Amino acid sequence: EAGVAQSPRYKIIEKRQSVAFWCNPISGHATLYWYQQILGQGPKLLIQFQNNGVVDDSQLPKDRFSAERLKGVDSTLKIQPAKLEDSAVYLCASSLDGTGYEQYFGPGTRLTVT
Amino acid sequence: AQKVTQAQTEISVVEKEDVTLDCVYETRDTTYYLFWYKQPPSGELVFLIRRNSFDEQNEISGRYSWNFQKSTSSFNFTITASQVVDSAVYFCALSEPNDYKLSFGAGTTVTVRA
Repeated sequence: EAGVAQSPRYKIIEKRQSVAFWCNPISGHATLYWYQQILGQGPKLLIQFQNNGVVDDSQLPKDRFSAERLKGVDSTLKIQPAKLEDSAVYLCASSLDGTGYEQYFGPGTRLTVT
Repeated sequence: AQKVTQAQTEISVVEKEDVTLDCVYETRDTTYYLFWYKQPPSGELVFLIRRNSFDEQNEISGRYSWNFQKSTSSFNFTITASQVVDSAVYFCALSEPNDYKLSFGAGTTVTVRA
């Protein structure tokens, strides 16, 4: 079974530029999550989708971050404009549904903002 | 408030030693889920175990074992006869029924020396 796919794996941009990350979850998984992991910390949830709909985006900085999950499968996370403090690994995860099932993570995208 | 506390920041052991990672959690719910994830140097979070709050049986999987004690709100993880490949950051996480997102601890870095 294919795992969670993410691209790109690495991205370096200058502050105030825009960037987008892509995630393809495990087939059949209804719930998709985006996490931000700053170096030396545990992942922090940014947004959770159940199929097409947003379940929780309370920790998403909506003035600069946006995310969508069209057709309930792939998802994109965008940052516009980026700040230095956005440098982190962005992890995508999926689970069968959002009721306590284990989440499976992709390899992440390491973003460096200079 | 921190929901998951991993008091040990770093642990260094010599190969074949046992190592125990502590995890203390905080929740008001009677139904919840606890998880352990491994993050090797490659960066991908690997699911190790999921335990629901009603199942206090200890579990063993190969060299890995988990001790869940509701009375002390702890879910500790032991690696027996450690190997160099066990070197990684290990995260404990809590999932509660109000939103089921994972609340991660800060992680414990385990270094196993040959």
